[in-house]
Amino acid sequence: GQNIDQPTEMTATEGAIVQINCTYQTSGFNGLFWYQQHAGEAPTFLSYNVLDGLEEKGRFSSFLSRSKGYSYLLLKELQMKDSASYLCAVTDSNYQLIWGAGTKLIIKP
Amino acid sequence: ETGVTQTPRHLVMGMTNKKSLKCEQHLGHNAMYWYKQSAKKPLELMFVYSLEERVENNSVPSRFSPECPNSSHLFLHLHTLQPEDSALYLCASSQEHGASYEQYFGPGTRLTVT
Repeated sequence: GQNIDQPTEMTATEGAIVQINCTYQTSGFNGLFWYQQHAGEAPTFLSYNVLDGLEEKGRFSSFLSRSKGYSYLLLKELQMKDSASYLCAVTDSNYQLIWGAGTKLIIKP
Repeated sequence: ETGVTQTPRHLVMGMTNKKSLKCEQHLGHNAMYWYKQSAKKPLELMFVYSLEERVENNSVPSRFSPECPNSSHLFLHLHTLQPEDSALYLCASSQEHGASYEQYFGPGTRLTVT
């Protein structure tokens, strides 16, 4: 079966750095997305990786290793507004998005 | 404002009712999606439309019936639902249906089946 694993919940301190991991087992691979979802709101796009390596976008970076079936989202200089759920999703060989259950990130002052 | 709107935002319905959810995208996209989001579970893809043609139907019960009259509008018709269908229903759109196209989500309809 197809599976996306990510931690259920993480806690970090304002101003610090946090890494949210995602491992996947899918039938084929055509890219990996990270989305942010604040409570009661719609998911919004953060990043897309299809090649191995690190993609940096401001305070957020996303890393992919296709051979290991692994990705992480790195958030630097954490702010209170970063408290949200972070969703990992993989496009399989049929171009269908397979979603993880999301990681709830709690930022403490 | 994400460019994708959904109505109603909240809906309470009995198991014998018939209702419809509406989604509209103002982004000029060619693909639209319906998802179900339940607490602590992954997003479940229900239906995909590309250029108004249904692309995928992921074994969704027939009590859910989609309709895509044009590339900007998507409906989800509901009838004889069960309490376990209570969830957040999200609509999304993307420029095309394919691997690298990010999806833009609407705010969702919070559905409660009594």
